[in-house]
Amino acid sequence: LAKTTQPISMDSYEGQEVNITCSHNNIATNDYITWYQQFPSQGPRFIIQGYKTKVTNEVASLFIPADRKSSTLSLPRVSLSDTAVYYCLVGALMFSGGYNKLIFGAGTRLAVHP
Amino acid sequence: NAGVTQTPKFRVLKTGQSMTLLCAQDMNHEYMYWYRQDPGMGLRLIHYSVGEGTTAKGEVPDGYNVSRLKKQNFLLGLESAAPSQTSVYFCASTEASGAYEQYFGPGTRLTVT
Repeated sequence: LAKTTQPISMDSYEGQEVNITCSHNNIATNDYITWYQQFPSQGPRFIIQGYKTKVTNEVASLFIPADRKSSTLSLPRVSLSDTAVYYCLVGALMFSGGYNKLIFGAGTRLAVHP
Repeated sequence: NAGVTQTPKFRVLKTGQSMTLLCAQDMNHEYMYWYRQDPGMGLRLIHYSVGEGTTAKGEVPDGYNVSRLKKQNFLLGLESAAPSQTSVYFCASTEASGAYEQYFGPGTRLTVT
């Protein structure tokens, strides 16, 4: 199982770009990288997923270098509502009859200030 | 389309009591999961199911049992609750096709005194 390491907490201000980096040195060939967001008293919510290079959606961008040993979630122009815990997960796609356990670490607590 | 729902939202139990948490999904997902989340920590997988009638142990299965009699429902049971089981419980589901997005329910906050 690929272990992930990410900062415990980060602070930012409204309007700034926030980059959260996750280390996953023993990522396997068929592992994908997925990020979730969790607000207090709610279940985690999928943000973005990628395998290599760069992925962008309406919420965030995910940058993955060629060696795939780390990844960076980029949140453009954060607002107060982006204050949440962000989890980086690494694992392979599930397939019929099998399952690759997902490990949610402690995540990164992002605090956005006015 | 309600997604993933959990019942109840809150519950207080005395040590030794039993209860069942219900998770329901209306997305026709094959895979379902039960997690627990303790304060300041990430989620830990309790049990999961890869299809109707199947269940398997996750990372922290002791003290819990599960059943998946219908595809849309996944039940988590505590036969004899202990204070160490005080936690927030989340249910999630995914498609079986390889899609990796887990859809989570709103959670059940359980306190065992």
